[in-house]
Amino acid sequence: TQLLEQSPQFLSIQEGENLTVYCNSSSVFSSLQWYRQEPGEGPVLLVTVVTGGEVKKLKRLTFQFGDARKDSSLHITAAQPGDTGLYLCAGASGAQKLVFGQGTRLTINP
Amino acid sequence: KAGVTQTPRYLIKTRGQQVTLSCSPISGHRSVSWYQQTPGQGLQFLFEYFSETQRNKGNFPGRFSGRQFSNSRSEMNVSTLELGDSALYLCASSGRTGGTSPLHFGNGTRLTVT
Repeated sequence: TQLLEQSPQFLSIQEGENLTVYCNSSSVFSSLQWYRQEPGEGPVLLVTVVTGGEVKKLKRLTFQFGDARKDSSLHITAAQPGDTGLYLCAGASGAQKLVFGQGTRLTINP
Repeated sequence: KAGVTQTPRYLIKTRGQQVTLSCSPISGHRSVSWYQQTPGQGLQFLFEYFSETQRNKGNFPGRFSGRQFSNSRSEMNVSTLELGDSALYLCASSGRTGGTSPLHFGNGTRLTVT
C-alpha cells in the first residue's frame, strides 16, 4: 500500500512569514498533485508535478518534486491570511487510484 | 463551465437507515470518484466509475455502493448507517480515468449519523 505522510500536521504562523510543508513516501510516484481545501468546500488543485527534480512556481507558492519522485515540498513566501487552509498532497502511479496524504492545516494570523 | 455539483449539502440520518448521495460531474467528464473525509482518517478513497463501470474500489465494507448513469452522473449509497459513517463525502470528476488525472471536487455532502 502506498502511503503519503505530510508534515507538519498543523502550522500556525504570522502574516509575512515563510513556511515549508512536506510530503514524503517510501514509494515512487509517477506524478504528485497538491490541493488546497478551504472550510465548507472541496479540495482545489494547485499544481501537478511529474518530473523528478521539477520545480513549479505559482505566485508566492513554490512546489518541488524530489529527484527520486518519492517526496515533494510546498514553500510559501510572505504568507497571507488568504493562504489559510488544508493543504493536501496526492500521489499517482499509473492506473492506480490517487493516494492522499493526511494534510497540513495551515493558519496565517493577521 | 459548471463545476461538480453534489446534493444534498447536509444530511442527518439515524443509525440503521440508508442514504443516497448524488454527484453531477463537469460536463464532458466521464470519470467520477468518491472519497470519505474525516478528521482522523483524512481523505479515503471509496470507488471510481468510468463510463458506467466501476474501475477501482477502496477498502470499505459492502454497505457502501455506487453507480454511474449514462450521462455520467453518479450516486453512492450507504446502507445500515453506523455512527462512524459520519463524514464529509466528496465526489470528484476527471476527464479520464487513472490516478494521474487531476480531480475536480464538489463541495461535498456532510452526513451526520445520530
